[in-house]
Amino acid sequence: DTGVSQNPRHKITKRGQNVTFRCDPISEHNRLYWYRQTLGQGPEFLTYFQNEAQLEKSRLLSDRFSAERPKGSFSTLEIQRTEQGDSAMYLCAIRDGNSPLHFGNGTRLTVT
Amino acid sequence: GEDVEQSLFLSVREGDSSVINCTYTDSSSTYLYWYKQEPGAGLQLLTYIFSNMDMKQDQRLTVLLNKKDKHLSLRIADTQTGDSAIYFCAETYGTASKLTFGTGTRLQVTL
Repeated sequence: DTGVSQNPRHKITKRGQNVTFRCDPISEHNRLYWYRQTLGQGPEFLTYFQNEAQLEKSRLLSDRFSAERPKGSFSTLEIQRTEQGDSAMYLCAIRDGNSPLHFGNGTRLTVT
Repeated sequence: GEDVEQSLFLSVREGDSSVINCTYTDSSSTYLYWYKQEPGAGLQLLTYIFSNMDMKQDQRLTVLLNKKDKHLSLRIADTQTGDSAIYFCAETYGTASKLTFGTGTRLQVTL
């Protein structure tokens, strides 16, 4: 049990459709991160929240991507007008203070 | 910018020791981490080391840090088939404390 639940585990969508992923930490953690991992690569940072505030966004996060953490607990990541290049594993992670990041099992997105 | 490099592949026999290496470029890194990823799964934290330490041992795992050369290694003693996975080195930097990951080393354990 990683302490982070991500849904769905897999998502197949057609190019041009919108998709939304959800991350639910089991308990309260002040920091929540989104990463993207493409095949054969390490995870790449997308964005992070401290409580409900989105404090940093990577250049990888184009205008088609939006993330929210409305109550400082769960978070959603939406991709609009999906492209084939969006196919990847999307990982959510949590952290308190200087503790290590703990990752969920990810949502694998396939855009056809 | 930040860069973390790892060799892509390592094959060892069951029972031998494995040594996975990592180099990083950011001298201001505060923590360095090793994560393990099995197929289709997320990343599992194995161990981490603070930048003012040279070595950390945790059961079969030994982490060595050479700050001068910006080199980090993970030694797995008595490697088992269940250790077969991809191992990622990662560093933190900056106020966001986000992690920068290497490309991962695939460890194959043979009988």
